[in-house]
Amino acid sequence: GESVGLHLPTLSVQEGDNSIINCAYSNSASDYFIWYKQESGKGPQFIIDIRSNMDKRQGQRVTVLLNKTVKHLSLQIAATQPGDSAVYFCAVFNKGSQGNLIFGKGTKLSVKP
Amino acid sequence: DGGITQSPKYLFRKEGQNVTLSCEQNLNHDAMYWYRQDPGQGLRLIYYSQIVNDFQKGDIAEGYSVSREKKESFPLTVTSAQKNPTAFYLCASSMVASGQGFYNEQFFGPGTRLTVL
Repeated sequence: GESVGLHLPTLSVQEGDNSIINCAYSNSASDYFIWYKQESGKGPQFIIDIRSNMDKRQGQRVTVLLNKTVKHLSLQIAATQPGDSAVYFCAVFNKGSQGNLIFGKGTKLSVKP
Repeated sequence: DGGITQSPKYLFRKEGQNVTLSCEQNLNHDAMYWYRQDPGQGLRLIYYSQIVNDFQKGDIAEGYSVSREKKESFPLTVTSAQKNPTAFYLCASSMVASGQGFYNEQFFGPGTRLTVL
């Protein structure tokens, strides 16, 4: 089965710096990857996704990198702002599964002013 | 104003009591999901429903029950058989259920925090 692992449970960055949050997955057949942002006491919000046929995808201030060789993906946030403080977690979809997402445990990002 | 609503936001239960968490969506989505989130843990799937009057167990269905009598509603009952029910419960929906090689984006509600006293 799939498992999604966490590299760091917490990350603290200075406002204006770039943040990098990492995620590892186990199933090489995984083909769709999503990053979510969850603020305290709220439901997760979609940030960005990437398919397995891509290595990189950019959004507004966010970039997701996918390394299928080592089964690793990362979320980069440029010019981190206080409003970026939240828990970020990745989710992995395997089209061979029942169609369910496997979620990582999350990294809590704290932004210091 | 479309979206997913969950009620109540906070819920307290005495041991041995059943409690039902509400989830409603007006997005006209076919599929709905219930997840459980514990501190420092990833979301775990409890039950999901691909269509009205149909639902399947997720990874941690024991001690929970659901119904899907209406497209827009997917209530979750936490029964007294659930040994450790204190958690944050999240409901989600997607246009159709993922499967057959494609993924459909899931939209999450705001969650219900259940505490057993």
